[in-house]
Amino acid sequence: DAMVIQNPRYQVTQFGKPVTLSCSQTLNHNVMYWYQQKSSQAPKLLFHYYDKDFNNEADTPDNFQSRRPNTSFCFLDIRSPGLGDAAMYLCATRKTSAYEQYFGPGTRLTVT
Amino acid sequence: QQPVQSPQAVILREGEDAVINCSSSKALYSVHWYRQKHGEAPVFLMILLKGGEQKGHEKISASFNEKKQQSSLYLTASQLSYSGTYFCGTDRTGNQFYFGTGTSLTVIP
Repeated sequence: DAMVIQNPRYQVTQFGKPVTLSCSQTLNHNVMYWYQQKSSQAPKLLFHYYDKDFNNEADTPDNFQSRRPNTSFCFLDIRSPGLGDAAMYLCATRKTSAYEQYFGPGTRLTVT
Repeated sequence: QQPVQSPQAVILREGEDAVINCSSSKALYSVHWYRQKHGEAPVFLMILLKGGEQKGHEKISASFNEKKQQSSLYLTASQLSYSGTYFCGTDRTGNQFYFGTGTSLTVIP
């Protein structure tokens, strides 16, 4: 089945130790999103891609970066994770001609 | 920029109805509705594109008042499977998307 896959599902990292989360899709969608969702809050958009065009939200910390080497893969790099970065990170994709976003299962990040 | 939802939480008995409201301080050109069950990713329910548009999905329907910058989600004859957090959302120019504040819905037997 076509889908959005996120790895790993659970990630534990130490304070200040860089971490990379990955997202892959078999839907061939042009648009990819990264969201951060903290407990009992709504998902918050960090950045999105339209094809290779990268768009950063104004309030996304500089600590967060992203790469999209091809249509299928997208990475979220957190350079120096702080305790406040512990959250669920959700990847989503969308076809340009449609409105529905398809979400991956998320990666739950714990910072110790 | 984030749409505001009310109520924040609601508890229903099976078979009861509920209304969830979503309002924005900025113009809404479209309203999306998602449901997220605990520990899972959000799942798309529906989108409303035009003012006054109403859409239905099983026993879940929604309306959109573009002039008032509001949308409402109607759940009728609720089932246990309806439990979860409901988010409205809206897109802005350039593929940006913003979720509303969320409404936690719990259906009990």
